[in-house]
Amino acid sequence: DSGVTQTPKHLITATGQRVTLRCSPRSGDLSVYWYQQSLDQGLQFLIHYYNGEERAKGNILERFSAQQFPDLHSELNLSSLELGDSALYFCASSAGTGGGTEAFFGQGTRLTVV
Amino acid sequence: AQSVTQPDIHITVSEGASLELRCNYSYGATPYLFWYVQSPGQGLQLLLKYFSGDTLVQGIKGFEAEFKRSQSSFNLRKPSVHWSDAAEYFCAVALLSGGGADGLTFGKGTHLIIQP
Repeated sequence: DSGVTQTPKHLITATGQRVTLRCSPRSGDLSVYWYQQSLDQGLQFLIHYYNGEERAKGNILERFSAQQFPDLHSELNLSSLELGDSALYFCASSAGTGGGTEAFFGQGTRLTVV
Repeated sequence: AQSVTQPDIHITVSEGASLELRCNYSYGATPYLFWYVQSPGQGLQLLLKYFSGDTLVQGIKGFEAEFKRSQSSFNLRKPSVHWSDAAEYFCAVALLSGGGADGLTFGKGTHLIIQP
């Protein structure tokens, strides 16, 4: 158990809909990263938040957004969903922002868009 | 931009045999290097990491990796594999500078199959 909790574990929704994925980081970790894992693109970094502030964006679509709340949990919002958004979405947390800081991954949310 | 290449999509190894998974990176300087393992239905677990110093690093579950600057490689090894090692293995890099705020860049992964 990494200490990172993601909910829900599975989500099935229709095209055009909006969903919210939730991540609770390890106790004390200030950084939250979101990643998308799909068969064609592999694991891709989406966005990084540190202590409530956005620190970096990766290959995140404009239809996607995220935020980190004062209690440090984070939410990833996916809107106007398309079939191609079906993927496993991972959250990872770390104590800091340094490149060498070990990131701990949750078990992911599997999103299926039908 | 940095990139990570794992040339082997699938590798099959007999139980008890040695293992080497290849990883090459492309980056102007020495990045932070990682190996993660993903079991079916699970998240990613860190096996080991390299930042600097001794180029041979030891990790969990009996894994080790060697950083070779001249070859831009960071290959993962294990002297004797167990059936429980069957999983997907990912090599990843993070920026040495810039605080790593950009997250990790992952290779496409190598699927390890263990034959009895």
